[in-house]
Amino acid sequence: GNSVTQMEGPVTLSEEAFLTINCTYTATGYPSLFWYVQYPGEGLQLLLKATKADDKGSNKGFEATYRKETTSFHLEKGSVQVSDSAVYFCALSDHLNTNAGKSTFGDGTTLTVKP
Amino acid sequence: DGGITQSPKYLFRKEGQNVTLSCEQNLNHDAMYWYRQDPGQGLRLIYYSQIVNDFQKGDIAEGYSVSREKKESFPLTVTSAQKNPTAFYLCASSLISNEQFFGPGTRLTVL
Repeated sequence: GNSVTQMEGPVTLSEEAFLTINCTYTATGYPSLFWYVQYPGEGLQLLLKATKADDKGSNKGFEATYRKETTSFHLEKGSVQVSDSAVYFCALSDHLNTNAGKSTFGDGTTLTVKP
Repeated sequence: DGGITQSPKYLFRKEGQNVTLSCEQNLNHDAMYWYRQDPGQGLRLIYYSQIVNDFQKGDIAEGYSVSREKKESFPLTVTSAQKNPTAFYLCASSLISNEQFFGPGTRLTVL
């Protein structure tokens, strides 16, 4: 079956530091890949996505590149802010009928950015 | 504004009671999902539905029930058979195999 493995947290950084959160996946088909963000007490929001190999998703200074050869989709940001403190989830969705369009989520990585 | 709503935001249940959590979307999405999130944990799929009048069990369906009588609505009932229901419940919708849109969540506490 499908699976997503995320870098374990929590991650604590100083403001303006470089961020990487690792994500690798296992999938039987050709999945779409996503990063979601969850702020305290809220639902998840889509941060970025990529639908095929070598695509780069980007939003709000965050980037991730779909690497089929390494089955990875690492999240990066060049300079984090306090407002980026949240939980980040990597996820995939494949198009096989057997999975019925369900998404598979990683366990989430908690990021805290200190001023 | 298109979106997905959940109500109530907070819900308290006494032992032995059934409670129903509401989820409504006006995004014209075919698929809808219910997840449970425990403190510091990831998401666990309870039930999902790809089409009206059809739904499938997820990974932790025991003690929960759902219905999908309308495309816009996917209510979740937490029954008395669910022994540890205190958690944060998230509803989501999507076009099949696309990104999911999440509601703001309902926090259920058993008294």
